[in-house]
Amino acid sequence: ELKVEQNPLFLSMQEGKNYTIYCNYSTTSDRLYWYRQDPGKSLESLFVLLSNGAVKQEGRLMASLDTKARLSTLHITAAVHDLSATYFCAVVDAGNNRKLIWGLGTSLAVNP
Amino acid sequence: DAGVTQSPTHLIKTRGQHVTLRCSPISGHKSVSWYQQVLGQGPQFIFQYYEKEERGRGNFPDRFSARQFPNYSSELNVNALLLGDSALYLCASSRTYLSYEQYFGPGTRLTVT
Repeated sequence: ELKVEQNPLFLSMQEGKNYTIYCNYSTTSDRLYWYRQDPGKSLESLFVLLSNGAVKQEGRLMASLDTKARLSTLHITAAVHDLSATYFCAVVDAGNNRKLIWGLGTSLAVNP
Repeated sequence: DAGVTQSPTHLIKTRGQHVTLRCSPISGHKSVSWYQQVLGQGPQFIFQYYEKEERGRGNFPDRFSARQFPNYSSELNVNALLLGDSALYLCASSRTYLSYEQYFGPGTRLTVT
């Protein structure tokens, strides 16, 4: 079964700084998602990445996908407090009824 | 348009009891998926239904079952509740079972004591 690893699992950063969250997965997939979750809340879709080299940006967040390396990155530019949340990547397991396999999440705290 | 709705929002059950959780998808969406999210972890896939048929099942015991109704709403049933079933149960809807856009409901927080 496909496995998804995120790192770091916890990230504390200062406002204005840049950082990258990494998502590795173990077998070939054709679809990768990034979601945001605020404490006690549901999941908000951020990005869907479908092809090698795909790059998507929304505000201070930019996601990219390298299918050959089985790696996606979520880059945070000039972080602000409102970005504090848990970020999940999730990967479609094409060999397993297209189940969505999730990472453990990265808990991000942006401090003033 | 209304988003995905789930009921109830919270509930507390005792070990051994049974629970039914409900989900209404976005209008026009025919696929519903259920996930279990234990505190501090990522969601785990439980079931996917499309056009009232089961399209996928995760690694959960037979105590977990689900169904989808003609109006595409769905129920998740859990029998013989265990303490370990305490979690946030999330429902997600999409137009078809292959759609890449999936929208999550607010979740049902289940506590088993």
